[in-house]
Amino acid sequence: EVQLVESGGGLVQPGRSLRLSCAASGFTFDDYAMHWVRQAPGKGLEWVSGISWNSGSIGYAHSVKGRFTISRDNAKNSLDLQMNSLRAEDTALYYCVKASYDSSGYSDFWGQGTLVTVSS
Amino acid sequence: EIVLTQSPGTLSLSPGERATLSCRASQTVSSSYLAWYQQKPGQSPRLLIYGASSRATGIPDRFSGSGSGTDFTLTISRLKPEDFAVYYCQRYGSSPTWTFGQGTKVEIK
Repeated sequence: EVQLVESGGGLVQPGRSLRLSCAASGFTFDDYAMHWVRQAPGKGLEWVSGISWNSGSIGYAHSVKGRFTISRDNAKNSLDLQMNSLRAEDTALYYCVKASYDSSGYSDFWGQGTLVTVSS
Repeated sequence: EIVLTQSPGTLSLSPGERATLSCRASQTVSSSYLAWYQQKPGQSPRLLIYGASSRATGIPDRFSGSGSGTDFTLTISRLKPEDFAVYYCQRYGSSPTWTFGQGTKVEIK
């Protein structure tokens, strides 16, 4: 059974940093690209960042480029998102998402999300 | 950068009616790399359709996708009570970048 368990969310002040993690199990992690998608309270889905199976290809949304860094450790079946210079508009539920292919593809499994609240 | 625009924002229908949801792209979506998701309150999104028209595993055949180029449609042939939810289209591709539409809410009339 595929499982994606996010952790690391919480309340953080504007300008500070936070690191999210996603523990994956139930599939061959290094066969698939992985993504982070967020959803602000009461709003729609916003793609944040994606990484190919071997970290050779990485993408970021314009809204987070230069502030967020995605990374993966295939030996540990884990995906991370380092978030720096956080802003109030980064407040959202952050989902770890499995893609359907090694380089990209659609999303075929979502975690339950971890909530990030940026507020003073 | 491709922008996906979904319409209408809200669709008010009764159970048993047909729902037609639109997703329009600002540029051609190559190889029909277009997916649809359903999200219910408090739940993570669920994949319905990929490749514009292929149903995901376990998705009932009342859900169908069509379209190519810049215009795509999700049709729910006869709405069941469990189909009232928010639906998103997504553009994917050969690189790990995605775009989502803003969503269409299908609500009970």
